[in-house]
Order: sequence, then structure tokens, then C-alpha cells
Amino acid sequence: AQSVTQPDIHITVSEGASLELRCNYSYGATPYLFWYVQSPGQGLQLLLKYFSGDTLVQGIKGFEAEFKRSQSSFNLRKPSVHWSDAAEYFCAVGLKTSYDKVIFGPGTSLSVIP
Amino acid sequence: DAGVTQSPTHLIKTRGQQVTLRCSPKSGHDTVSWYQQALGQGPQFIFQYYEEEERQRGNFPDRFSGHQFPNYSSELNVNALLLGDSALYLCASSLSVGDYNEQFFGPGTRLTVL
Repeated sequence: AQSVTQPDIHITVSEGASLELRCNYSYGATPYLFWYVQSPGQGLQLLLKYFSGDTLVQGIKGFEAEFKRSQSSFNLRKPSVHWSDAAEYFCAVGLKTSYDKVIFGPGTSLSVIP
Repeated sequence: DAGVTQSPTHLIKTRGQQVTLRCSPKSGHDTVSWYQQALGQGPQFIFQYYEEEERQRGNFPDRFSGHQFPNYSSELNVNALLLGDSALYLCASSLSVGDYNEQFFGPGTRLTVL
């Protein structure tokens, strides 16, 4: 069955430090991969997406993610975290074989220490 | 170009009541999907509407039903509300034409069941 796992429920980093959020997926066909961010009480904002081509994708707010097919991973990175990055982050996979339905991971909550 | 819009923004109901949530897709889109995001979880797929019919459904009871109108807008209806139905309900729209059709998410409707 298709699934998305985010091993880290909660991560705390200091402002200015680097960040990596992990994501693994299980899907037999070509994955369409996404990272979303959600601030408390808000909707989803798309950070970046991977459909094909270069496996290192750049997104908004200085985020990037790398697709590694051999590891079924799509980890999100940022070289220097800002206090405003504190939020919930969701990795997701779009299922081409299921009318483009999106399967979300459980999310990783990011706290930033000033 | 307006994106996906949802109404109302917030809603409070009591157990046993019925509720209707509304979604207008992004201009040019013909497919609407609905997701439920309970507190502290990732969004879960409820169902998808295309050509005014339910095309696929997630693991949700029959209390959850929907409708799509000729102008592609959609409604989500929930009958006999339970406390556990309290959640953020997200609508996503797409255009069913290509190999993979990206879904664009609305801001959501927050439903509180007392």
C-alpha cells in the first residue's frame, strides 16, 4: 500500500542552524513528491515539488529537497533556519495511478530556538 | 486568477447535526477532491469528484457525502456529526487532462463539533 513516513515527530533547532527533515515513501510507480508547510490554524502552503528531471529541487523560502529513488526518500533541507520557519511540515506523494490522489505523511513539527 | 476558495472559514455544530461545506475550484479546473485533517495529523483523502460523479473514495463512512455541480464547484456533506469529525476540511482542485494532474489546495474550513 502507498504510504509516506516522516520519522521525526518533532525537531528543535537553533536559529541560524541548518535543517533536514526526513521523508520516505512507499509507492510502486513514478512518484510525484511534495513538501507543504502549515502554520498553526492555517491552510497548507506548497514549499516545493518534484515531478521529474533534476533530483535536487529548489523551493520557496530558501528550502530545497533531494529525491533519491534508491532510498525512496525526499528529504527537505534549509541551510539557515529563521524563527519564522517554526511550523508543521508535511511530505506528500501524488498517486498517478489513483487519479492524482495525494497521500500525506504524519508531519514533523519544527520549533526554532532564538 | 482566483485560486481554490472554500466557505465558510469556520463552523461550529453540535453532535448529531448535519453540515455542508462548499468549494469553488481554481479557474479551469474540473476535478475536486476533499481531505480531512484532524488535529495533529496529516490530511486524509475523503473522496474525489469528476464530471459530477464520485470517482474514488477514501476510508470514510457513508455519513460523508458530496456533490459536484455543472460549474465544477463542490459540496461536502456530513450527517450525524460526531465529536471526532472536528477537523480542518481541505478542498483541492485539478484539471484531469495529463499524465499527472497536480492538486491545488484551498485554505480549508475548520469544523468544530461540540
